[in-house]
Amino acid sequence: DVQLLESGGGLVQPGASLRLSCTSSGFTFSSSAMSWVRQAPGKGLEWVSAISKSGISTYYADSVKGRFTISRDNSKNTLYVQMNRLRVDDTAVYYCARGDTTTFASWGQGSLVTVSS
Amino acid sequence: EVVMTQSPLSLPVTLGQPASISCRSSQSLVHSDGNTFLNWFHQRPGQSPRRLFYKVSNRDSGVPDRFSGSGSGTDFTLKISKVEAEDVGVYYCMQGTHWPPTFGQGTKLEI
Repeated sequence: DVQLLESGGGLVQPGASLRLSCTSSGFTFSSSAMSWVRQAPGKGLEWVSAISKSGISTYYADSVKGRFTISRDNSKNTLYVQMNRLRVDDTAVYYCARGDTTTFASWGQGSLVTVSS
Repeated sequence: EVVMTQSPLSLPVTLGQPASISCRSSQSLVHSDGNTFLNWFHQRPGQSPRRLFYKVSNRDSGVPDRFSGSGSGTDFTLKISKVEAEDVGVYYCMQGTHWPPTFGQGTKLEI
């Protein structure tokens, strides 16, 4: 079974940084593009970022470009997103998803990031 | 970006009765490679989303056959032949044909 487990969320002040991790199992991580999708409280889904299988190619939504950095460590089967200069409107549950931007085949349980003063 | 518009946004249903959700895109979702990257997801209360269909009508493993996905171009439909209690939650369509990928607003199915 595919398993994705996010961690690293929490409460931070505006302008702070946070790094989320997503550890995976049940599939060949290095053969799969990966993505981050977020959901603000009570709202819908918003794609955030994606990364190719090798990690060479990365993609970002305009809302996070220049502030977030996606990366992966295929030796550890782990996906990351470094979030800098966090804003109140970045408050959301962040999901990692297996697949590129056409698929989102499997999702983790999510990690809540709250940005508030 | 491509706008995905779902209707209705709220769908009260009776157990055992059919249900249908419409999803319309602001541009054709036919990719230059011939594929149509339209997916459907279901999110139960308090849970993460789960994909039901990819490329319009390809059912994911474990999805009951009372669910069906159809459509083409800009008009797509998710149908449930006979609603069961476990079908409650929010349904989202999502397009991956055009950059950036975008989701519909969600349709809340309630018994």
